[in-house]
Amino acid sequence: DTEVTQTPKHLVMGMTNKKSLKCEQHMGHRAMYWYKQKAKKPPELMFVYSYEKLSINESVPSRFSPECPNSSLLNLHLHALQPEDSALYLCASSHDRGHQPQHFGDGTRLSIL
Amino acid sequence: QKEVEQNSGPLSVPEGAIASLNCTYSDRVSQSFFWYRQYSGKSPELIMSIYSNGDKEDGRFTAQLNKASQYVSLLIRDSQPSDSATYLCAVKGETSYDKVIFGPGTSLSVIP
Repeated sequence: DTEVTQTPKHLVMGMTNKKSLKCEQHMGHRAMYWYKQKAKKPPELMFVYSYEKLSINESVPSRFSPECPNSSLLNLHLHALQPEDSALYLCASSHDRGHQPQHFGDGTRLSIL
Repeated sequence: QKEVEQNSGPLSVPEGAIASLNCTYSDRVSQSFFWYRQYSGKSPELIMSIYSNGDKEDGRFTAQLNKASQYVSLLIRDSQPSDSATYLCAVKGETSYDKVIFGPGTSLSVIP
């Protein structure tokens, strides 16, 4: 088990559904990240939050909407996803955006029907 | 475009041998280097961080960094079948605003 908790672990949704992925950490980290990972590929950065403010959006389609309600929580709201969005979605956190390593949660396996 | 390169493998080693995983990076001023292990279907798990030239040892793992050659490696001594996984090299640039760049990963198979 990791110190970054992601829910749900698995999610199957249709292309018209709205769902949210959740991430929580209690390590006092002030930087949080969303990554997307396809099979046999490295994690691909989507968003970075630093001190609860969005600091990087890697040109992610608007059907993905991040939210950082407080320093411990990070959400990813999903709407009108496409089959190619099926992937492992990883949340990570680090002390800040400095040089400390990122720690990953277990991920949410997302399948779009 | 900043790049991190790794041999994709698969790298096969017999149980008990030393596995050597290599990584090169393009950004000369990179400051932070990380090795992650990822089992199939699981999330990346941090194994080592290294910031200075030389070797850093942690149990059976040794990370080696040579900034002049823009090269970082991970040695796994006394390899076990449980070490079979994909190993991701990750590199962060000079400033706190730089992103972590992941290499494509090297698949390691330890044969009993």
